Amino acid sequence: QVLLQESGPGLVKPSQTLSLFCTVSGGSISSGSDFWNWIRQPAGKGLEWIGRIYSRGSTTYSPSLKSRVLISLDTSKNQFSLRLNSVTAADTAMYYCAKGEWPTHHFGYWGQGILVTVSS
Amino acid sequence: QSVVTQPPSASGTPGQRVTISCSGSSSNIGSNTVNWYQQVPGTAPKLLIYTNNQRPSGVPDRFSGSRSGTSASLAISGLQSGDEADYYCATWDDSLNGVIFGGGTTLTVL
Repeated sequence: QVLLQESGPGLVKPSQTLSLFCTVSGGSISSGSDFWNWIRQPAGKGLEWIGRIYSRGSTTYSPSLKSRVLISLDTSKNQFSLRLNSVTAADTAMYYCAKGEWPTHHFGYWGQGILVTVSS
Repeated sequence: QSVVTQPPSASGTPGQRVTISCSGSSSNIGSNTVNWYQQVPGTAPKLLIYTNNQRPSGVPDRFSGSRSGTSASLAISGLQSGDEADYYCATWDDSLNGVIFGGGTTLTVL
């Protein structure tokens, strides 16, 4: 059973960088053909895919966020991370990490989510 | 405005059969498989259907999915009060080169 757990600051100031971590247990993030994803959901709204990182390190980002996003792996901690810079109030959302499968792109395992508020 | 369109709401009475549609285009549903997620308010989404019509272990066979052309649908039979949730379709979009979600459908059991 794969478990994912998000962590990081719940409050970020406008124009600063949002940094979140997803710790994976029950499996190695560096093996297999899995993709490790970040997805967010503003309160009362739908899901938005942010991007993903392959177990070998290559990344794909949503076109709408690509200029501000960086997803990376830390295999020593079995963890992957999200950095979103120049944040605004529009980036306030619940952020989820999820394990994705190739080639169907489905997300079989999700973290419980972490609420990030952008406010001064 | 999502590239993939779902009705914002759906409803049914206990025991009824309800379907939720997901409409896209040739660059997404028309050329890639569709997945469905169930999200009970206050909780993380849960995978309900993958690869158009496959159920993960533990998902009741009351839930079924299908895809035809550039559209997909989720059917729920024998509706129960516990099925009240938001339902999202998702697929890959070749033009955007990313995963896209439908806007979500809120299911109410009357």
